[in-house]
Formats: sequence, structure tokens, C-alpha cells
Amino acid sequence: NAGVTQTPKFRVLKTGQSMTLLCAQDMNHEYMYWYRQDPGMGLRLIHYSVGEGTTAKGEVPDGYNVSRLKKQNFLLGLESAAPSQTSVYFCASSFFFPWTGEIHEQYFGPGTRLTVT
Amino acid sequence: GNSVTQMEGPVTLSEEAFLTINCTYTATGYPSLFWYVQYPGEGLQLLLKATKADDKGSNKGFEATYRKETTSFHLEKGSVQVSDSAVYFCALALANDMRFGAGTRLTVKP
Repeated sequence: NAGVTQTPKFRVLKTGQSMTLLCAQDMNHEYMYWYRQDPGMGLRLIHYSVGEGTTAKGEVPDGYNVSRLKKQNFLLGLESAAPSQTSVYFCASSFFFPWTGEIHEQYFGPGTRLTVT
Repeated sequence: GNSVTQMEGPVTLSEEAFLTINCTYTATGYPSLFWYVQYPGEGLQLLLKATKADDKGSNKGFEATYRKETTSFHLEKGSVQVSDSAVYFCALALANDMRFGAGTRLTVKP
């Protein structure tokens, strides 16, 4: 199993450009997440999805859009990149047990380092 | 709302020293608690977890106990190794909400 994979690994954008980050998981997890990691701030949740065709906002959703057309894929889009979106982006996935309401541990991808100039 | 506060780093220890990284949380219910570890250039990996009060999570010599009375989940290891050098994150999960601490960088010197 590949686990959670992310493409691309690195990207440099100019202000105003757009791009899409792709996350794929082969563990049949229901839940998928996008985080950004900035120095001294830990991970902050951008958007998440509790299943195919559903998405929801996290802590810092502004400037990002997501889609989950297939259970195994979760896309993060930046329509008009800004320097404040320079960060490392991590995708994660997890099982969710509906009978206990418990989110199990998350499995993370290797990250995408994005620089916006 | 829900939040996690963990001790600021960086932390530098000599090999075989005792490690404690403090973590406290605020939650509107009874969350699951996690410690994740991040090695350079990699994503986060689960180190250990606890899902209810008084549970102890343990893995690779690391331990943490879910203390509801003090809303804490401190990470401990009796004897650290150089290979433990990494960034450690405390996290909570409650319903659909996931919160991470800011991370504590640990460096272990031979």
C-alpha cells in the first residue's frame, strides 16, 4: 500500500496564479483533510471531507476550495495565490467509527512545499 | 472552542536523559488525544494515542496518560536517543474537529 500520496512535492507560484494539489489514499478511509503547516503555528485545518461528494470548512478555509469526487482523492485548489499562502501543505486521511463518534488516528502524506512570490 | 497548548521548544537533551513535553487541552466534550512525531522532510506519524480518561498510550518507550482532571496529556520517555530528534505534536479529535499544538522540536545530542 502506498498510504497517502501528494502531488506535487514542490511548487513556486506567482501572485494571482492558480493551482491544484492532489491527495490520494489507498486505505479506503472515509475522512480526508487538508492542513497547512507554518513555523510556530503547528497544523491548521483548511478543509475536510467526511465522505465522497462532501466537504466542510476547517479553521482557515479562506482562499482555498476543495473537491472530493472520488473516495480516494481529495483536491485542494488555490484560485488566486497570495504570498500569505506560502506554506507546507499536508493531506491526511482517517477512519471514522460512527457508532462511537470516534475519529481514529490520521495518516499523513509527505507534504507539498508551496512558495508564492 | 477546542484547543491544544504544548510546551514551547526547542528542547535539547543529552542521550539517555529523561524527556517530558507538556500538553494541555481545552475541549467542549471528551476528546481523543494523540501524540504525533514529524521527522525532517516527512509528514506526521502517529506516536501514541488515548481515547478516554486514565488511558495510557505507549509506543517506542514513549508514554502519555490522559488526565481529565488536569486536562493534560504529557509525553514522557525515560531515556532518549539521538534518533528521537524530531518535532512532536500533541493533538485532539472531537467529533469532526481536529486541533494540533504548535509542535515542540526535540534535539538529542550524543
